[in-house]
Formats: sequence, C-alpha cells, structure tokens
Amino acid sequence: GAVVSQHPSRVICKSGTSVKIECRSLDFQATTMFWYRQFPKQSLMLMATSNEGSKATYEQGVEKDKFLINHASLTLSTLTVTSAHPEDSSFYICSASPVGGGASPSDTQYFGPGTRLTVL
Amino acid sequence: AQTVTQSQPEMSVQEAETVTLSCTYDTSESDYYLFWYKQPPSRQMILVIRQEAYKQQNATENRFSVNFQKAAKSFSLKISDSQLGDAAMYFCAYRSAGGSQGNLIFGKGTKLSVKP
Repeated sequence: GAVVSQHPSRVICKSGTSVKIECRSLDFQATTMFWYRQFPKQSLMLMATSNEGSKATYEQGVEKDKFLINHASLTLSTLTVTSAHPEDSSFYICSASPVGGGASPSDTQYFGPGTRLTVL
Repeated sequence: AQTVTQSQPEMSVQEAETVTLSCTYDTSESDYYLFWYKQPPSRQMILVIRQEAYKQQNATENRFSVNFQKAAKSFSLKISDSQLGDAAMYFCAYRSAGGSQGNLIFGKGTKLSVKP
C-alpha cells in the first residue's frame, strides 16, 4: 500500500516552455501533497505544500508564479514549471500523506519516484 | 526552528556486518515523529522506519532498528546483517506532530556503501 506515482519520469524541454509534472496517490487519498527539489548529491528541499481544494503554501524563496501547483482532487497534484530555464533543471519529487483512518499512518509521507527535468 | 543533523557524510560496512548511522535533531517540541528514508541510485525515496516521540520503545523493522534517545535528541539507525541492496543514501527526517502542514525536515544524508 501507500504507492505514489509521478509522470513523466524524465522530461527534456526547450528554454521558455512550460512543463507539467503529475503526482498521484494510487491506493490512498491525500489531502496534503508535498513538492521537493533535489540537486545532485544534496538533500531534498521543500518547495511547497499542496492542499486539496485550496491554494498551495510555498516555501520562502520559491516563486509561486513560476512553480504553479494545483491539487484538484484527493489523489492528484500537479506542478507546472512555467517558462522553464536551464537553472530549473533538477530532480523534482512529490510526496503524499494519507488521510487518517487508513492502513498507512497519516503522519508519514510516501514519495513518488521523481521526475528529472532538463531544460536546454 | 527545527534542525536535523547527520554528521556522517559517508559510511562503509562489510556485507553481513552491522552499521549504525547517526542523526541528531534540535527542537523545542515535545511531540513529533522521526523517520529514516533510504534513497538508492534509482532516487526513489523509501521509508525505512518511523518513530513516534511519545513512545519510549525503539522502533524495529526486520534488520533495521533505531536507538531513540529523546533527552539527548538522538535518533540513530542500526542496520544488521547488511546486504548489498542496503547501499544507498539514508536521510533522517523530523516532522512536527502539531499543525496541519506536516512537512518533513531532512538531514543532509549519509551515503552507505556495502562491501562484498
């Protein structure tokens, strides 16, 4: 149980284009999903917290107009990198915490496999 | 603000031996959760073990166990009978019990190598 998927796993795009990354909880519902960015050989950096039905909460220094987050349902959150530039190239990871009452503890985050974004 | 410190950037262990990864944290909260996640070369973050701060008993999951010392704010991970598949980055993480956000605070990670 507690499986999270991400799509695509890898994307290459041209500078100036927008890229959408999907994060889905496959076997549980999640009112909260999290988006992280990870640079090579570094830890995960929280970008934003995505709440179903409301606006996302962004961490300090993260441009909300550049990284658009939509959490339209209890199983899907999307991150759109708008007008991507080479410095946006990174590994993006999402995670989700189950709604309380299920088999998986609601205090635990389960991670997707990540999306490697390369902007040329 | 809470912080998590992993003082060992790299560790190495012989196959079948035991290794302990260190983690300390700083918080003024009394109720929280602690986690160890494994990130193999595939980069998929995998939950290894979780500990609730209000529980005195150390969590165990098969070959993985923790030594949770609340007063010392220490949360080390012991891997017994190490296997080649245990080679990965290991991240210690903290989560507040209160509040609605529940975001994780990660340490910088420890890279574990397993020698055959």
